Amino acid sequence: DAGVIQSPRHEVTEMGQEVTLRCKPISGHDYLFWYRQTMMRGLELLIYFNNNVPIDDSGMPEDRFSAKMPNASFSTLKIQPSEPRDSAVYFCASSRQGFWNSPLHFGNGTRLTVT
Amino acid sequence: AQTVTQSQPEMSVQEAETVTLSCTYDTSESNYYLFWYKQPPSRQMILVIRQEAYKQQNATENRFSVNFQKAAKSFSLKISDSQLGDTAMYFCAFRTTGANSKLTFGKGITLSVRP
Repeated sequence: DAGVIQSPRHEVTEMGQEVTLRCKPISGHDYLFWYRQTMMRGLELLIYFNNNVPIDDSGMPEDRFSAKMPNASFSTLKIQPSEPRDSAVYFCASSRQGFWNSPLHFGNGTRLTVT
Repeated sequence: AQTVTQSQPEMSVQEAETVTLSCTYDTSESNYYLFWYKQPPSRQMILVIRQEAYKQQNATENRFSVNFQKAAKSFSLKISDSQLGDTAMYFCAFRTTGANSKLTFGKGITLSVRP
């Protein structure tokens, strides 16, 4: 079990540029979650998928953010255009359906810095 | 909507002593799960302990135990015999059940263990 894999680990970009964060969940997991962590707001749920279908995207801050899950083994979170206030650590996590007490398995996060 | 509140932003404890981290939550659900996660400086999210709401018995994992008070909607974490490696951010989290299950986090508490 390789765990949840996120890439890149660090991303530095200039304001206005497009940023794409990537996530590979654990094989066999039906749920995929995207979280954003900042000092001010803690861990915020942005969006989550069940069997590749977006279930709740109410946490996505604005239209500049979009997420896709084209198949069970890959998801992307895109920010276009990026702004300095998007600087944060972005986590991807996955879990199995029906096992509610199972923990979410987190990736190591992507630290995004927008200058 | 579910909310999770961790009112103490920081705590400090002497090595080998016991510390309790507080967490309250609000929900109209009757069945749910509660978790404590640890985030060391490496930013990895590590599950510490979990509790099913339908179980009256408090969960215990080695030096970590919880005090779950369902009526009061309280879920505190007790760390006994604190070790330097316990220094980290600790997040309380709540998860609903069902097809639209998701994990909601508190804002976290920074715990420092002093030598």
